[in-house]
Amino acid sequence: SQTIHQWPATLVQPVGSPLSLECTVEGTSNPNLYWYRQAAGRGLQLLFYSIGIDQISSEVPQNLSASRPQDRQFILSSKKLLLSDSGFYLCAWGTTGGIKEKLFFGSGTQLSVL
Amino acid sequence: AQKITQTQPGMFVQEKEAVTLDCTYDTSDQSYGLFWYKQPSSGEMIFLIYQGSYDEQNATEGRYSLNFQKARKSANLVISASQLGDSAMYFCAMREGPGRRALTFGSGTRLQVQP
Repeated sequence: SQTIHQWPATLVQPVGSPLSLECTVEGTSNPNLYWYRQAAGRGLQLLFYSIGIDQISSEVPQNLSASRPQDRQFILSSKKLLLSDSGFYLCAWGTTGGIKEKLFFGSGTQLSVL
Repeated sequence: AQKITQTQPGMFVQEKEAVTLDCTYDTSDQSYGLFWYKQPSSGEMIFLIYQGSYDEQNATEGRYSLNFQKARKSANLVISASQLGDSAMYFCAMREGPGRRALTFGSGTRLQVQP
């Protein structure tokens, strides 16, 4: 069966420090991969998606970047964190593409930038 | 304009009762998909149910059913026989088509099931 791993679960970082969040998927090949962010008490906002290795699309301009060095690995990064980067980050995968694609989410990373 | 509107920030329901969580959406696309996700306190998002805009019948998945009223642009989630484990945040989401990747989420409804 497919599983998705995301780490770390929580992270407290000072403003201006770098960030690296990692997500890996097991049990499937060539998944579509997504990074979402959830502000406190809000719904999710799509940050990046990837349909293949080194194929990254950004949905919103921001301080973050994403990379996909391997088929089932998706990394969210920042060179210098801002206070506004605080939030709950969720990685997700899907396989079918198109309108019907269901997304399966990881357990999330709670990022606090202080 | 909001693409997905969930007007109930919080809902209470007695155990074993049914509950309806409201969702209205806004799109000019003819082809789109509607999703409901559950987010327990652990944080993960759990897929519950999907309804396509061209599906003629309301979707059902176990105790979950989707009351899809296309003309009114509403996609309400009905949970039958509520259980204590149903206490969570519930999010309605939409993917417009064709070729769009993003799932647009509503702000969610917090459901609390009381014994």
